[in-house]
Amino acid sequence: ETGVTQTPRHLVMGMTNKKSLKCEQHLGHNAMYWYKQSAKKPLELMFVYNFKEQTENNSVPSRFSPECPNSSHLFLHLHTLQPEDSALYLCASSRDREARQPQHFGDGTRLSIL
Amino acid sequence: RKEVEQDPGPFNVPEGATVAFNCTYSNSASQSFFWYRQDCRKEPKLLMSVYSSGNEDGRFTAQLNRASQYISLLIRDSKLSDSATYLCVVNMGIDNFNKFYFGSGTKLNVKP
Repeated sequence: ETGVTQTPRHLVMGMTNKKSLKCEQHLGHNAMYWYKQSAKKPLELMFVYNFKEQTENNSVPSRFSPECPNSSHLFLHLHTLQPEDSALYLCASSRDREARQPQHFGDGTRLSIL
Repeated sequence: RKEVEQDPGPFNVPEGATVAFNCTYSNSASQSFFWYRQDCRKEPKLLMSVYSSGNEDGRFTAQLNRASQYISLLIRDSKLSDSATYLCVVNMGIDNFNKFYFGSGTKLNVKP
């Protein structure tokens, strides 16, 4: 399924690096989400964008900076990360304002901080 | 109290068994309900939506009980390939369509 595409699939970076994760959806959705999932842990919601506007920031540290230039693209800019930030980062999208519309997830970016 | 609660398991069952998971939700205003499947180190994938009247998709049956605020997933004739973590997801709906609450997941191991 290529509805939600995330790049890169894997990323290894040092604590002083700056990198960005990219998410693109081809489903005509207007809400996009970033989640973090650490090993053997539940999904943690990070950010929600609705029609390009951020509607939720779930107390995420400022070293994570999201950007949503349009309804189809979502970025997560990373800088000065910590080892505990190593996790699977998942992007999802959904169609807002319609009942019974589920979220669709990308394959995720597996991030390792050295 | 968590918005969505699930028994973490693991449920260890033999092939061919029938297994059922329950999930409870705290907000009676919840509108939409879903079951997702997540394989190890992979993204969650939608298994099925859950409708008020209950719905079936092959070996999978989902039920919603609004009065008791729980949803269930029944898997019949379990296959080895059903081994995964099953996530219960609740959406708030009206005026909150982008509020999705995930349970922590129930792990299923199907053994030969």
